[in-house]
Amino acid sequence: SQQGEEDPQALSIQEGENATMNCSYKTSINNLQWYRQNSGRGLVHLILIRSNEREKHSGRLRVTLDTSKKSSSLLITASRAADTASYFCATAPSNDYKLSFGAGTTVTVRA
Amino acid sequence: GAGVSQSPSNKVTEKGKDVELRCDPISGHTALYWYRQSLGQGLEFLIYFQGNSAPDKSGLPSDRFSAERTGGSVSTLTIQRTQQEDSAVYLCASSLGNRAEKLFFGSGTQLSVL
Repeated sequence: SQQGEEDPQALSIQEGENATMNCSYKTSINNLQWYRQNSGRGLVHLILIRSNEREKHSGRLRVTLDTSKKSSSLLITASRAADTASYFCATAPSNDYKLSFGAGTTVTVRA
Repeated sequence: GAGVSQSPSNKVTEKGKDVELRCDPISGHTALYWYRQSLGQGLEFLIYFQGNSAPDKSGLPSDRFSAERTGGSVSTLTIQRTQQEDSAVYLCASSLGNRAEKLFFGSGTQLSVL
């Protein structure tokens, strides 16, 4: 079964708006990662947050992690058409290397 | 090359035929992963190689699937007697170390079994 589950499944926003998506997971983790996938092909690593961190920023991305609730959120601020993609959270149980991906959130940014 | 390279990018085959998918990881990356992604779905873990250690094959869906990694570099995923349900995008990724941190993905091989 999948370790991470994203919510919502799909999101449509206007250019310039913010996009927020959530991820829930099941077991203790060392870190949680977010990846982006364009056109159903290779994934690109966006950001990694460690279990002892609560918030992390990278450019227009903001990630939060709540280990007590086993959840994370990814916020994309001031969205652009180029942000249209599927976004996946990925986790591996502590001391494991099998990175598990959720089914993803498909984000559409309308011009 | 600078990134993970996969070939072929597309493969159409007939049911019952064998196929080989190739992955050339980033030089120096000791970890190599294979995942499978069906249309509109998440990624399904298939197999993991780390250095010279025995691979973790726990994700392979049947004994028709096998993979090898020669010389700690190039990997080949082989599917024997392909079935229609094998149709998917097969993604390869590599990373430094063994902590499953920051995977670099190839563009994948789209496999279509007719």
